Amino acid sequence: DQQVKQNSPSLSVQEGRISILNCDYTNSMFDYFLWYKKYPAEGPTFLISISSIKDKNEDGRFTVFLNKSAKHLSLHIVPSQPGDSAVYFCAAGSTLGRLYFGRGTQLTVWP
Amino acid sequence: DVKVTQSSRYLVKRTGEKVFLECVQDMDHENMFWYRQDPGLGLRLIYFSYDVKMKEKGDIPEGYSVSREKKERFSLILESASTNQTSMYLCASKGGGGRIYEQYFGPGTRLTVT
Repeated sequence: DQQVKQNSPSLSVQEGRISILNCDYTNSMFDYFLWYKKYPAEGPTFLISISSIKDKNEDGRFTVFLNKSAKHLSLHIVPSQPGDSAVYFCAAGSTLGRLYFGRGTQLTVWP
Repeated sequence: DVKVTQSSRYLVKRTGEKVFLECVQDMDHENMFWYRQDPGLGLRLIYFSYDVKMKEKGDIPEGYSVSREKKERFSLILESASTNQTSMYLCASKGGGGRIYEQYFGPGTRLTVT
C-alpha cells in the first residue's frame, strides 16, 4: 500500500502564478519530507525538504508547508516559470534510512 | 558536488539476456539504492544496500539481484530480462547516519527489452 500519495498526476499553471503541489502520507513515523524535481531523461534532483518539527521551510521561490495533524504537505512555487515544468516527486523518510516516494505530479507552466 | 554515474544512458537487450547495470558514486556514501521509474507509478525501490556486501530487498525485487563488492559501486542484475522490465532505472546514494535523508541520483538508464 502506498505510504506517500500524490493524487494529482498533472497541474497546469500560467507563468507568474502560484503552483501548489500536494502530497499526503499515512505513516506517522516519517520525520523528514523532501521534494524532488525531474526533467525527462535525467535523474531526480533535490529541491527542498522539511523536518517534522517544522511547519514551513522556504528557499527562494519554493516553500514547503507541513501539516502533521492532517499528514499533508504542499510545495508552493511563486512565481512559476516555464523552466519549472517538470515532474515533482514528494518523498518521506524516517531513521530507518529509505525514502518512500509518491507517484509524481507533472507540472506544466505555460507563458 | 556529489556525483553518481551510471554505466549506460540507453540500453537495448533481448528477452532472456542477463543484463548488468552499473552505478558508481564518488562521495564515499554508505547507502546506495536502485529504483525503476514507470509512467504513473513513480519511483519504486528495487534493492538497497547499507554497506559493502550487504543488501536489502525493496518493494519490487522479483527478477532482480544486486551486488556491492566495493563501497563506491552498486550493480543491478536482471537475471533473465523480460519485456516487463523495460523501464528507466535510477541509482541513488546517500551518506550514513540516521539523520541524513537526502539521496543523490544518477542520470538514469533507459532499458528496452525486446
